[in-house]
Amino acid sequence: GAGVSQSPSNKVTEKGKDVELRCDPISGHTALYWYRQRLGQGLEFLIYFQGNSAPDKSGLPSDRFSAERTGESVSTLTIQRTQQEDSAVYLCASSLSLAVTFPYNEQFFGPGTRLTVL
Amino acid sequence: GEDVEQSLFLSVREGDSSVINCTYTDSSSTYLYWYKQEPGAGLQLLTYIFSNMDMKQDQRLTVLLNKKDKHLSLRIADTQTGDSAIYFCAEFPDTGRRALTFGSGTRLQVQP
Repeated sequence: GAGVSQSPSNKVTEKGKDVELRCDPISGHTALYWYRQRLGQGLEFLIYFQGNSAPDKSGLPSDRFSAERTGESVSTLTIQRTQQEDSAVYLCASSLSLAVTFPYNEQFFGPGTRLTVL
Repeated sequence: GEDVEQSLFLSVREGDSSVINCTYTDSSSTYLYWYKQEPGAGLQLLTYIFSNMDMKQDQRLTVLLNKKDKHLSLRIADTQTGDSAIYFCAEFPDTGRRALTFGSGTRLQVQP
């Protein structure tokens, strides 16, 4: 079946503009994650959704960042008033659940959206 | 807090063994993971180890876990040029924030 897809693959924007990044998880996966990867660094957690539970937003770096998820489907990550330090690759992942037991918690990653803020 | 550390770079010759090291801090993690990231490709799960294991072997990959020292290593036997990539270790805690915490990644360069 299809993997996790993300769009756009690349986004160049001007400082101060808003951007929306989209993630389509694997069908049937109840958990969805957003991570950010700055150049030469590891992935930083931003937010995750699990079913109908309240999302864990504890990784969002500022109130300019927000995310929504429609049921157990598509998610959008919105960055308002973009800054140059927002330039990074934004990765989405999904998993069957948040269960402790592998492979239920195995995260499958999308190809990412490379965001460049000029 | 959670922190996962790795060395940044490793260069080996084709056919040699590679050993990539990682230290972590969250002892509640039941599973520890190794991911591979190649240019233009997504992040791929390579292997994982259950926290009550000391070692796990999967074809050319051997994972060693020293839980006392919170040290994890990935050994790649007979390293090939196709193994050139960035390797990330990651932990997934059983409690609290249920998200992967990644190291900064080790870039493996395999010379022919």
